[in-house]
Amino acid sequence: ETGVTQTPRHLVMGMTNKKSLKCEQHLGHNAMYWYKQSAKKPLELMFVYSLEERVENNSVPSRFSPECPNSSHLFLHLHTLQPEDSALYLCASSQDRRVGSPLHFGNGTRLTVT
Amino acid sequence: AQSVTQLGSHVSVSEGALVLLRCNYSSSVPPYLFWYVQYPNQGLQLLLKYTSAATLVKGINGFEAEFKKSETSFHLTKPSAHMSDAAEYFCAVRRQGGSEKLVFGKGTKLTVNP
Repeated sequence: ETGVTQTPRHLVMGMTNKKSLKCEQHLGHNAMYWYKQSAKKPLELMFVYSLEERVENNSVPSRFSPECPNSSHLFLHLHTLQPEDSALYLCASSQDRRVGSPLHFGNGTRLTVT
Repeated sequence: AQSVTQLGSHVSVSEGALVLLRCNYSSSVPPYLFWYVQYPNQGLQLLLKYTSAATLVKGINGFEAEFKKSETSFHLTKPSAHMSDAAEYFCAVRRQGGSEKLVFGKGTKLTVNP
């Protein structure tokens, strides 16, 4: 089983739908992250959790709502999204928040908002 | 604030040829530097990292990168390209002693021709 697992792999939703992305890490890491990857743009850090506490929120619109119930699971709740929110959403984890700790990524959820 | 510039959004090489992917960084303090690779329909995978030890860093799959402070560069090389190296490569910088935020470049897509 891979270290960081994301479900679903693909998601198509209308602008009025509510859906959730799930991430689970099996590495015993203490920090988890949500990134947004759009075409022709650098990866954008959305949220950082350390020991289940949100430590960073990079001016993300409130239509994205993260949840970290424990150190192994991370969710991204979505509601009333816009077409420009269509992107690949990547979850990552790291041993801790020290700058030398590399990130381990999941395979992402490809989100299409119609 | 730190930043990363990857020169060339697309690089094409022949199988067996040298691979050179360029990365220049900007950081007011000594940085930690990373190269990640993303294969189609997958998340990012760490290739190698520089953390102020040896300036020549060896990574997985035969890749290596050299930290050159005078040139503020961290170019990625591989002596002989394989077809399986076709992917997108991302350079990233993180500031030592500061925020854990990892700043990514826009990526370079490597094509390997038979």
